[in-house]
Amino acid sequence: KQEVTQIPAALSVPEGENLVLNCSFTDSAIYNLQWFRQDPGKGLTSLLLIQSSQREQTSGRLNASLDKSSGRSTLYIAASQPGDSATYLCAVGGSNYKLTFGKGTLLTVNP
Amino acid sequence: NAGVTQTPKFRILKIGQSMTLQCTQDMNHNYMYWYRQDPGMGLKLIYYSVGAGITDKGEVPNGYNVSRSTTEDFPLRLELAAPSQTSVYFCASSLQTGVGEQFFGPGTRLTVL
Repeated sequence: KQEVTQIPAALSVPEGENLVLNCSFTDSAIYNLQWFRQDPGKGLTSLLLIQSSQREQTSGRLNASLDKSSGRSTLYIAASQPGDSATYLCAVGGSNYKLTFGKGTLLTVNP
Repeated sequence: NAGVTQTPKFRILKIGQSMTLQCTQDMNHNYMYWYRQDPGMGLKLIYYSVGAGITDKGEVPNGYNVSRSTTEDFPLRLELAAPSQTSVYFCASSLQTGVGEQFFGPGTRLTVL
């Protein structure tokens, strides 16, 4: 059974800092990995999708990497802003693209 | 395109009542999913469908039923509501082939008292 762990559970940083969120998974037989953002009381917004054959994806200040063999992914956020404050969820795609989610990292960026 | 839409946004049920959570997508996606999210937890898969007429159980299917008569719609049915079903429910969809990226609806917040 796939298990996804996100570390840290919560992170508080000053504005402008670069930061890394970590995601690990137990079964390396994955189809893809998605990073989502969730604002309080809201739905999920897809940030980045990495296919199993890819090593990384970039979108603006966000960069996600994937190391399937070690069962790890990182989400790098450059020059953080208060508007980046949210919960970040990592999800691993298995057969039929079913996603297994981690519990998320609650990020607070302080002005 | 509206993407994935869900109704209602909020609902309060009494124990033993039943209801249907509606989900519709206009992206012609074959794959659709229902997840629940409990406080401080990640999302857990309830049911999924790979196309009209085809559904299968996810990780936490007990107490729920689904149907998929059309590509667009994937309703989730709660027959006998229990307090343990208090949660936020998300519907998602993805293409049949290729990328497999999932797109989520805004969620339905359900409370069972």
